[in-house]
Amino acid sequence: QQQVKQSPQSLIVQKGGISIINCAYENTAFDYFPWYQQFPGKGPALLIAIRPDVSEKKEGRFTISFNKSAKQFSLHIMDSQPGDSATYFCAASLSGGSNYKLTFGKGTLLTVNP
Amino acid sequence: EAGVVQSPRYKIIEKKQPVAFWCNPISGHNTLYWYRQNLGQGPELLIRYENEEAVDDSQLPKDRFSAERLKGVDSTLKIQPAELGDSAVYLCASSLPQGTQYFGPGTRLTVL
Repeated sequence: QQQVKQSPQSLIVQKGGISIINCAYENTAFDYFPWYQQFPGKGPALLIAIRPDVSEKKEGRFTISFNKSAKQFSLHIMDSQPGDSATYFCAASLSGGSNYKLTFGKGTLLTVNP
Repeated sequence: EAGVVQSPRYKIIEKKQPVAFWCNPISGHNTLYWYRQNLGQGPELLIRYENEEAVDDSQLPKDRFSAERLKGVDSTLKIQPAELGDSAVYLCASSLPQGTQYFGPGTRLTVL
């Protein structure tokens, strides 16, 4: 049973455009939602994260939008650059205690054309 | 500050052979994780350590996989015997308690 569903599987955007990646989760007890960025041959690196007490978080060109009632969250990359070309993973977890572990989506391969 | 170190970076073995992966976490990080990442998929947790104690190994296939974290620092993940389906990238991550997880570059295992 896949607890975090991510779409699209791949995305091609022109330089300067907006990249949008969506995720949906099933477990309403999840309370931590990070996005990870992974370049080929590297491990995933935390990009930005949000908790369900806010509906939006922005860090530079990266914004997470969170809809608790719909159990959905999305990553928006403004002014996309070729250097943003990577695989992006959404994740969710139950923070605290022995339940703290990340459940990842299947990833989105983003290509930003120059 | 050095990140999570893993070795080897690549390993090719024949099925039924044993294999081991090593991880050195970020200094001071008590929590250590091993993940498996299949091609085109997100990482899946295999085991989580708090210091030297395995606090979550529910996803570890215990018939062939084993892990240890002696002295609560470095960790080793072993597969014996390896099967074709074990081909994947094995990622190690570390964190402060309930903190951000920092991933190593992974070990890409190919089982022939």
